[in-house]
Amino acid sequence: AQKITQTQPGMFVQEKEAVTLDCTYDTSDQSYGLFWYKQPSSGEMIFLIYQGSYDEQNATEGRYSLNFQKARKSANLVISASQLGDSAMYFCAMREGLSGAGSYQLTFGKGTKLSVIP
Amino acid sequence: EADIYQTPRYLVIGTGKKITLECSQTMGHDKMYWYQQDPGMELHLIHYSYGVNSTEKGDLSSESTVSRIRTEHFPLTLESARPSHTSQYLCASSDDLPGSSGNTIYFGEGSWLTVV
Repeated sequence: AQKITQTQPGMFVQEKEAVTLDCTYDTSDQSYGLFWYKQPSSGEMIFLIYQGSYDEQNATEGRYSLNFQKARKSANLVISASQLGDSAMYFCAMREGLSGAGSYQLTFGKGTKLSVIP
Repeated sequence: EADIYQTPRYLVIGTGKKITLECSQTMGHDKMYWYQQDPGMELHLIHYSYGVNSTEKGDLSSESTVSRIRTEHFPLTLESARPSHTSQYLCASSDDLPGSSGNTIYFGEGSWLTVV
């Protein structure tokens, strides 16, 4: 079974509008972390935002926020005020076990290609 | 901003050649990783290291090998490259300290390998 599911292969958004990229996850662990990365066409993976399973508040980093719904096992990324430079692939990832224990690896979803339209 | 560097960024080589992809980080992180990503696809872990002299294979089987002689250096080697090895290889590291900041895994810019 897929551990990370991103159901939107591609998304379009008008410049300056907000957009939500979906991510659902599957784990039986109580301790886990959820990540979003941005990958421009040049190939590097840029860390955007992190949410721990025990964090009560939704994570925010500038224009990025993570809509964490633990009961639904979803961790959607919200980008506010989209910019042309936001056009890229976006990957949701999960790490089972938190710092100092458990797995060290990230499991990635298949990604969503976001295109920002001027 | 992450201080993790990969060389070469782009490499085209012939079948049967030996290649080494270099990865260095200046953050003093204990944990380092190699991921493989085919174009338009998700990343898969092929190797990881807990620290010096520690290496493990990841979920995706790979014919490559790694070494960790120094904390900051985690090179990946292919003894005899084949066209099936054509892919992007991404190196990453983390310090794995308690708390949110310790959970962040930082990536290098990636090495695009084409075997002809």
